[in-house]
Formats: sequence, C-alpha cells, structure tokens
Amino acid sequence: QKEVEQNSGPLSVPEGAIASLNCTYSDRGSQSFFWYRQYSGKSPELIMFIYSNGDKEDGRFTAQLNKASQYVSLLIRDSQPSDSATYLCAVNTPDKLIFGTGTRLQVFP
Amino acid sequence: NAGVTQTPKFQVLKTGQSMTLQCAQDMNHNSMYWYRQDPGMGLRLIYYSASEGTTDKGEVPNGYNVSRLNKREFSLRLESAAPSQTSVYFCASSEVTPGGQFFGPGTRLTVL
Repeated sequence: QKEVEQNSGPLSVPEGAIASLNCTYSDRGSQSFFWYRQYSGKSPELIMFIYSNGDKEDGRFTAQLNKASQYVSLLIRDSQPSDSATYLCAVNTPDKLIFGTGTRLQVFP
Repeated sequence: NAGVTQTPKFQVLKTGQSMTLQCAQDMNHNSMYWYRQDPGMGLRLIYYSASEGTTDKGEVPNGYNVSRLNKREFSLRLESAAPSQTSVYFCASSEVTPGGQFFGPGTRLTVL
C-alpha cells in the first residue's frame, strides 16, 4: 500500500463547477497535510496546508481533513481554466514529506 | 526575494560524467531538500538537510552526494552519471523539518 494515494485522473470539470480532489494516507501519526499545484513543466507550488480536523478555507480553495478516516481533500470552487494543473497531496512523517503522485485536473470552458 | 533558485536549468551528460546541481534560498529557512520527479513516480526525496551542518538520506540516495555549504546553499553531486538518473531535479526549502516546502524551478537532466 502506498503511503499517500491519489487518483491520477484526469478529473474533468466545466468552468464554474466545484472540483473535488481526494487523498488518502496510511500513517495515522501524520499531523500536517499540504496541497501543491503543479503546472506542466513547472515546479510544485504550495497552495494550502491543514493541521486540524475539519475545513480550512482560503479564497476559492477549501481543504478538508478527516484524521479518523485518514482522508484529506481539496475543493476548488468556481473552477477556472487556469486551475488546470496537477494537484499533489503531501503528508508529513517526523522528518520528511511524502508526496502522492498527483491528480490531473482539467477545467474546460 | 528570489525564493529558491537552481542552476543549471537544463543539462545533458554522457554516462560516467560528473556534475553538481546548485541550489540557494533567500528565505532564511533552516531545512533544504533535493527531490527527483519522474513520470508516474511522483516526487522522491534524495537527500535533505534539516539544519546547517546536517544531511540525511531520503528515499533514493544511491548515486548522489550532497553538501550543505551554509544556511543558504545546498548542492547535489552526481559522481558518475547513469541513464537512470535522467530526471527533473527540484530543490526545496522550509522553515522547519518537514514543514511546508517551497520549490525551486527545477533542473532537467538527461544522461545519454
């Protein structure tokens, strides 16, 4: 079992819709969770982090964490074509982050 | 602030050649990291430095060495390049380990 799992996609949503990206992790001791956005040919960019159960909102982005289910998600409201990218989930161990392989999101006009 | 910078942006090597990838950050971060990214494999940690003066192996350290030159700079050396080391290499930094990490623009390395 991979330590951090994501559906590779592509996830295709129409412009203006809500995109829901999901991530599961195996280490119950993990305390910190991060979402990165990576455009094709570019480096990963940190867009959200969450430490506590529940929701955390930042503009059009909402991160959701459920430690009991070992599940973290990213919701993107009012999706735009510029949101088309690969989204990487990262989960901490005591001394490093473990990254998922990412979900490719396509937002079509 | 430039954030995290990496040089070179592109490099082509022949098998057996050596090279050093340079990384510098201006955010006064304590921790620095080297990753490689390959299609279908995601980001894999090569080495990291939790603080100035320390380095530790990550998931895929074989064939690489690192030097934390000072708080700002962290270099990655390939002593004898192999085609399996063809990849995109990213340097990252964070205030603490592991922390939210900020990535450099990457080096695209091809080993023939």
